[in-house]
Amino acid sequence: QSVLTQPPSASGTPGQRVTISCSGSSSNIGRNTVNWYQQLPGTAPKLLIFNDNRRPSGVPARFSGSKSGTSASLVISGLQSEDEADYYCATWDDSLKGVFGGGTKLTVL
Amino acid sequence: QVQLVESGGGVVQPGMSLRLSCAASGFIFSKYAMHWVRQAPGKGLEWVGVIAFDGSIKYYADSVQGRFTISRDNSGNTLYLQLNNLRGEDTALYFCARDVKVDNSDYADYWGQGTLLTVSS
Repeated sequence: QSVLTQPPSASGTPGQRVTISCSGSSSNIGRNTVNWYQQLPGTAPKLLIFNDNRRPSGVPARFSGSKSGTSASLVISGLQSEDEADYYCATWDDSLKGVFGGGTKLTVL
Repeated sequence: QVQLVESGGGVVQPGMSLRLSCAASGFIFSKYAMHWVRQAPGKGLEWVGVIAFDGSIKYYADSVQGRFTISRDNSGNTLYLQLNNLRGEDTALYFCARDVKVDNSDYADYWGQGTLLTVSS
């Protein structure tokens, strides 16, 4: 049981907009910034979004993040086949421990 | 370029110990905190712990507290994870990752490819 709650799966067709949610509490998301990681099959996680809504250099602009209260969202606008991957939200909790969501498997139909 | 290379995984019996290593290059290792994160087969990511840039502060997940110890050798640019009293549920791919703190952001920006530990009799 993960501290942060994500839907186990999501899907969309190429070009569609997909949203992945991440729900936490006042002791984690409510107090700290949220990061998102993309894990392509058989590879290490890659930083996708940091500080709730900032993209590292090289991450396409179709990826965006937002946060409100104790929930965060990752939006992929203009879905592409190469976006098929697992997505994880992450933050810290009050006890200075890292916490991850359970992950969302995104399928591009 | 930043590189993190884990090693030391393998097959061990329950109750035994093992030490994992993470060799860092391409950045000033002694300036960054470092994480260990694991992923059980077919499961999600689980944060294991973090060590401060100078090794002075460490935090651990409840699931490994008291059994795992993170350390580092800044002169040798290497991060370690000592795993004691291993259990079947410790079977996982273990990643090391570099921590970045900017303003009020705190995140892992570079990850290694992981080393696989299997705990089985």
